[in-house]
Amino acid sequence: EAQVTQNPRYLITVTGKKLTVTCSQNMNHEYMSWYRQDPGLGLRQIYYSMNVEVTDKGDVPEGYKVSRKEKRNFPLILESPSPNQTSLYFCASSTNGLAGGEQFFGPGTRLTVL
Amino acid sequence: AQSVAQPEDQVNVAEGNPLTVKCTYSVSGNPYLFWYVQYPNRGLQFLLKYITGDNLVKGSYGFEAEFNKSQTSFHLKKPSALVSDSALYFCAVRDETGTASKLTFGTGTRLQVTL
Repeated sequence: EAQVTQNPRYLITVTGKKLTVTCSQNMNHEYMSWYRQDPGLGLRQIYYSMNVEVTDKGDVPEGYKVSRKEKRNFPLILESPSPNQTSLYFCASSTNGLAGGEQFFGPGTRLTVL
Repeated sequence: AQSVAQPEDQVNVAEGNPLTVKCTYSVSGNPYLFWYVQYPNRGLQFLLKYITGDNLVKGSYGFEAEFNKSQTSFHLKKPSALVSDSALYFCAVRDETGTASKLTFGTGTRLQVTL
């Protein structure tokens, strides 16, 4: 089954404790992206990747890191989480990002930073 | 910079009635426009897109959207709403110009369909 998987689905942590949210897709998509969803703000893009070893900042990259060492994986790293990073996070992938391909979304990761 | 506006936080419709969820956009070049739906505790699902061609785009679950360049709008429509259509709907836009591939989402509109 074609899908985007994220782990963990739920995470409660404390300020400053490094964490990684994994994202994996099995559709051989070149383009992958991370978003955060907050009430009243919709989805905002954190980082995206056009292909392996190619990443770029979205609209709200501060406090986050990403890497794209393999085509299928695009982990989101929070080196020192803070309470304002409490949010619902989505990973997404698509074929050629420049050609208007629709994005496939993972199920989401609900992160709470205390 | 590209942007999307969804002016209604919530739309209430009776089952069987037509529904419209509004979206307006702003881009510097030609737009690529999308609608996504989010059901409770789920990720977003693609509904339909406009890239070029016919201004009326048909998508999944009986939804359609009309691209209006002069009004910079891309409203989502369905002739007859179902209770199961109740969900959160997001409009999104991508500018075809430029080298970066960034999709900008609206703030979402909650659709509530009642019996």
